[in-house]
Order: sequence, then structure tokens, then C-alpha cells
Amino acid sequence: GDSVTQMEGPVTLSEEAFLTINCTYTATGYPSLFWYVQYPGEGLQLLLKATKADDKGSNKGFEATYRKETTSFHLEKGSVQVSDSAVYFCALRKQGGSEKLVFGKGMKLTVNP
Amino acid sequence: GAGVSQSPRYKVAKRGQDVALRCDPISGHVSLFWYQQALGQGPEFLTYFQNEAQLDKSGLPSDRFFAERPEGSVSTLKIQRTQQEDSAVYLCASSLGLAGGGQETQYFGPGTRLLVL
Repeated sequence: GDSVTQMEGPVTLSEEAFLTINCTYTATGYPSLFWYVQYPGEGLQLLLKATKADDKGSNKGFEATYRKETTSFHLEKGSVQVSDSAVYFCALRKQGGSEKLVFGKGMKLTVNP
Repeated sequence: GAGVSQSPRYKVAKRGQDVALRCDPISGHVSLFWYQQALGQGPEFLTYFQNEAQLDKSGLPSDRFFAERPEGSVSTLKIQRTQQEDSAVYLCASSLGLAGGGQETQYFGPGTRLLVL
């Protein structure tokens, strides 16, 4: 079945460090790919998305590129801030059907000043 | 309200008790989803509604779980005879769905944290 595998944490970085969170997926066809973020005490929020191969999603300084050849959607940010401390989830959605999201396990990021 | 709301935010139940969890989606959103998030895990799909029709319930773990959305707006997830393994955060999400042409962003509520003792 469809699945998402993402780098497991927790990860602790210093402010202004470079961030990469790896995400790979298994799915037939051409799923849409997402990064969701959960800040402490808040609900899941969409961070960025890409709906077809080679698309790049970006938001708040984060970027991820849909790579069909490697079935990956790695999240990157050049310089993290304390406010980026959160849990990050990679997810996919198949075309058609119920449009349910399939999530990875999530990775907790802590950024220290 | 502006976002998806869920109630109660926290629920403690004794094993064997029935519980009902409520979700108020964003006004006008056609699609509604329920997910279950165990501690330290990603959310897992339970069921999906398009208006009042339950189109996919493949993720419901047992026949003790039941969801409804009778008027195509508010939804209730009911768990009968709760077990300890039902302890989790239950998330509701809504999207414009067909009203927006499909493939719309899902907006999540804050979740209901259920603890079964």
C-alpha cells in the first residue's frame, strides 16, 4: 500500500543552521505531496505542497522539490529560527478516491538560540 | 468560526464506556475527514465524508467506531465500549472538496485527546 517514510528525530539545531528533513514515498501513479507542521499546542498546518513531478513548494523560507525519479520530497531551510521548533510531517495524497492523506511518523525539531 | 473546531478537547473515559467526539468544519466545506494520531506517530486516516455521504470508512479499526454527518456539516465520531488501545488524539479536517474543484487543502482542527483508563 501507499506509505511515507521520513527521517525520525528528534533533531536539535542551533539558530541559523541548515535544515534537511528527508522524506520518501511509495505509491502508484502520481500522488500529491505535502509537508505539514505542528507547532507546540497547535493543530496541524499545511506548510507547503507539490502536485506534480519537479514542482517546488515553498513557504516561510522552507522548500521541497517533488522528485519522481527518487520518490522523494525532502524539506530544506537555509537558516532555521527558534520559531521553527515544531513537529514536521510529510504526507501524500493519491489522485482520485477519497483524497485521504497518508502521513509519515513525523520529526520533532528543536531550534536553540 | 474561522477554522475547524473540535470538542471536547480532552476526554477521559473508563474502559467500556461509549464516547462521542464532535467536529465543526469550516463553513461551506464539502469534504470532512477523521484521523487518529497515536502518541509519537503520524495521523492515520479513519473515514471521509462528502457532504452527508460517508464515501470511505476503510480506516475505521473496528465496528466499535462509527461516524456520521447527517446534515453535511457537523460530524460526530462515536466509539463504543472503549478500549485502552483507543487512547489517541482524534483529528478532524475539512476541505472545500468538490465545491472547490477537488484536490483542495485539508484544514485540521486542534484534535480531541482521548485517554481510556
